[in-house]
Amino acid sequence: QVQLVQSGAEVKKPGSSVKVSCKTSGGTFNSYSFSWVRQAPGQGLEWMGGIIPVFHTTNYAQKFQGRVTFTADESTSTAYMELSGLRSEDTAVYHCARSRSNLYFEDWGQGTLVTVSS
Amino acid sequence: QSVLTQPPSVSGAPGQRVTISCSGSSSNIGAGYDVHWYQHLPGATPKLLIYGNNNRPSGVPDRFSGSKSGTSASLAITGLQPEDEADYYCQSYDISVSGSVFGGGTKLTVL
Repeated sequence: QVQLVQSGAEVKKPGSSVKVSCKTSGGTFNSYSFSWVRQAPGQGLEWMGGIIPVFHTTNYAQKFQGRVTFTADESTSTAYMELSGLRSEDTAVYHCARSRSNLYFEDWGQGTLVTVSS
Repeated sequence: QSVLTQPPSVSGAPGQRVTISCSGSSSNIGAGYDVHWYQHLPGATPKLLIYGNNNRPSGVPDRFSGSKSGTSASLAITGLQPEDEADYYCQSYDISVSGSVFGGGTKLTVL
């Protein structure tokens, strides 16, 4: 059974960093790419970028370049997203999404609410 | 503003047919990149509904169908049911940003 289980909700101060994990089960970890998609309150889905663990390659959306880092640990089948320089506008639900084709997202994590507040 | 443009809302009565449009440009849909659709039910995770313009993953009813023409795509839902009430998003690849882009989402209300 396919499962992407994300870490729990976080409350962060402006300027700090957050690291969200996405532990996967079902399927071979290195057969997939992992993207991160966020949804701010009342807004739509926003692609942040992705990582292809088998090639150790990342692709960051220009908006997040320099502030976001994606990593993956094959030994634990876990993908990570770290976002730094947090501001109030980063308050959102962050989803990991798995893709076999690297074109569309077949499986999604349950989402992690990150709240940025002083 | 989203790179792909969707109507903010659509509505229909149970049993009716509705369509949701997704308008792009020559750097995404018009460049030949496929369009994919997701259903986001309240309180749930997004679910892949249509991939590759008109393909349904296993388990998705054939009431849902997709099409693409030129720089636009559409999602059609026939035989509307109350449980179809959700937000729907289109997604494609855009060469100008070298990555995926989503539409702004369309809220479907079943009257």
